[in-house]
Amino acid sequence: ETVLTQSPATLSLSPGERATLSCRASQSVSNYLAWYQQKPGQAPRLLIHDVSNRATGIPARFSGSGSGTDFTLTIYSLEPEDFAVYYCQQFSIFGQGTRLDIK
Amino acid sequence: EVQLVESGGGFVQPGGSLRLSCAASGFTFNNYWMVWFRQGPGKGLEWVSHINPDGSSAYYADSVKGRFTISRDNAKNTLYLQMNSLRAEDTAVYYCARDMSWLQSEYWGQGTLVTVSS
Repeated sequence: ETVLTQSPATLSLSPGERATLSCRASQSVSNYLAWYQQKPGQAPRLLIHDVSNRATGIPARFSGSGSGTDFTLTIYSLEPEDFAVYYCQQFSIFGQGTRLDIK
Repeated sequence: EVQLVESGGGFVQPGGSLRLSCAASGFTFNNYWMVWFRQGPGKGLEWVSHINPDGSSAYYADSVKGRFTISRDNAKNTLYLQMNSLRAEDTAVYYCARDMSWLQSEYWGQGTLVTVSS
């Protein structure tokens, strides 16, 4: 079974900086790779689907890339509302999450 | 506007049962696969089950297979999750979601909390 490993577990950055979040699969996976943002007490929000396609209403500062076993979510110029937990997903498997904290 | 509203969560003793409902609106319900996810306290996201548009095919995580049953009533635009033989490890917020493709889910409900404890 495929395992998705996200790194780092926690990322501390300041508003305006760039965030780079990694999702590594234990074996090559298809391009049905999604990224979600989750804030405390809220449901997850789909940011990116199919590796690099932004979901409806997602700002252009969110960008997804990658293939095979290595995938990346990049948030260009962090806004205060971007500090949250981020999950990658491939089919029924989720990564363990990356917490993005304000430095 | 797409809306998914879960209900039916609550407190139950180990071995007990609950049925969750998810009322859908704002889209043609019988055109979409639907999904149940869950999130234990302080934990990550976990896929639980999903079902095809006409309800003829359903899939389950190994952790719930044989205990949970997903179903849908397309006339009522409602998704269900019947949970039997509940265990403490089933304690979680349960979310229903609309599948976009291959379990990538753009619309989620607000979640309903299930607590299994003696």
